[in-house]
Amino acid sequence: EAGVTQFPSHSVIEKGQTVTLRCDPISGHDNLYWYRRVMGKEIKFLLHFVKESKQDESGMPNNRFLAERTGGTYSTLKVQPAELEDSGVYFCASSSSRRINGELFFGEGSRLTVL
Amino acid sequence: AQKVTQAQTEISVVEKEDVTLDCVYETRDTTYYLFWYKQPPSGELVFLIRRNSFDEQNEISGRYSWNFQKSTSSFNFTITASQVVDSAVYFCALSESFIANAGKSTFGDGTTLTVKP
Repeated sequence: EAGVTQFPSHSVIEKGQTVTLRCDPISGHDNLYWYRRVMGKEIKFLLHFVKESKQDESGMPNNRFLAERTGGTYSTLKVQPAELEDSGVYFCASSSSRRINGELFFGEGSRLTVL
Repeated sequence: AQKVTQAQTEISVVEKEDVTLDCVYETRDTTYYLFWYKQPPSGELVFLIRRNSFDEQNEISGRYSWNFQKSTSSFNFTITASQVVDSAVYFCALSESFIANAGKSTFGDGTTLTVKP
């Protein structure tokens, strides 16, 4: 079974440009989460999808961030326009509501560097 | 508001030493989940354990053990006889969501553990 995959693994862009991060959750997982770790600090929640619906987007920093989950499968997180403070590692995680232990499976993260 | 504090930013030990990673949390909820994750050099976060707030029993899994003390709001993680492969960043996390799903979690800053041969 393939794990959570994220693309790209590393992206370097200039301030003002646009970047789109993609996450492919584990097949069949209805829950998908985006988290971010900035400057080696704590990992912060961004948002939560249940299938294609946004369940909780309270962690999204501002309207420059747009997340979608087309058809309840993969998800994209677009940053437009990117700012210096957006640099960090963006993690995607998925889980299945059918699993009682609620284990989250994380991807390897997409490192974003904004110059 | 919830908060997770991992006071140890970096720990360095020599192989075969025991090491304890501290985690202190704050929450107003009476029901919650606590987690530990490991982030090896490859980058992904690996789930290690989940503990719910009603279960204060300590847990042991091989060389890993967890000590949950509700009275002190702590959920410490001990690695016995550490190995080089244990070198990683370890995150403690808290979820206030008392549903089967892990839900939205608050993470600590992480503790970087280096085990030297």
